[in-house]
Amino acid sequence: GAGVSQSPSNKVTEKGKDVELRCDPISGHTALYWYRQSLGQGLEFLIYFQGNSAPDKSGLPSDRFSAERTGGSVSTLTIQRTQQEDSAVYLCASSPSGTGGNTEAFFGQGTRLTVV
Amino acid sequence: AQKVTQAQTEISVVEKEDVTLDCVYETRDTTYYLFWYKQPPSGELVFLIRRNSFDEQNEISGRYSWNFQKSTSSFNFTITASQVVDSAVYFCALKSYNAGNMLTFGGGTRLMVKP
Repeated sequence: GAGVSQSPSNKVTEKGKDVELRCDPISGHTALYWYRQSLGQGLEFLIYFQGNSAPDKSGLPSDRFSAERTGGSVSTLTIQRTQQEDSAVYLCASSPSGTGGNTEAFFGQGTRLTVV
Repeated sequence: AQKVTQAQTEISVVEKEDVTLDCVYETRDTTYYLFWYKQPPSGELVFLIRRNSFDEQNEISGRYSWNFQKSTSSFNFTITASQVVDSAVYFCALKSYNAGNMLTFGGGTRLMVKP
């Protein structure tokens, strides 16, 4: 597709279950970001992948959160033992190149996660 | 460390008024990039503009204009003759090479344009 694609668009899960959120970046984009946005709040950085470099995981809120990016393309954000405070919209973005910075990031439509 | 501050959390104007959204940033880098994004009620973030630290020329695009001032570390966004469709949350963001190209966002400003 032409844009960043995230799936599912909505996910309702029971407290304590694990969830996986998927992000398909724009083809050829080497940089990929995950953010979290709680209702009415700003964007909270979670993790950043740039090419083959080690990801910047400094924003992951706890060890229940992890992410991987296979083959430099698709990324999966996994939340284990979900808690109600994990309820938020999870946004993925990609950009052509992280180095130099002279590129904007394009966002997907987000996955709305609700933990009940 | 880098930081972006949008002091205005919410602004309400009447249609056709001009409105300026403030953005102040902090970075130790001399090379960095600033961005504005719009998040309408539909939720998807839409890229509006990118500006690099070496280009302080102001930019105008239709009713939108941006004022970049390195001396005050500000990158303000003005909407002229606002319209109801401008109602959205607007985010300012910063990226710099020495910060690992981390894209750092401000807290956002919710703009409500009333008819």
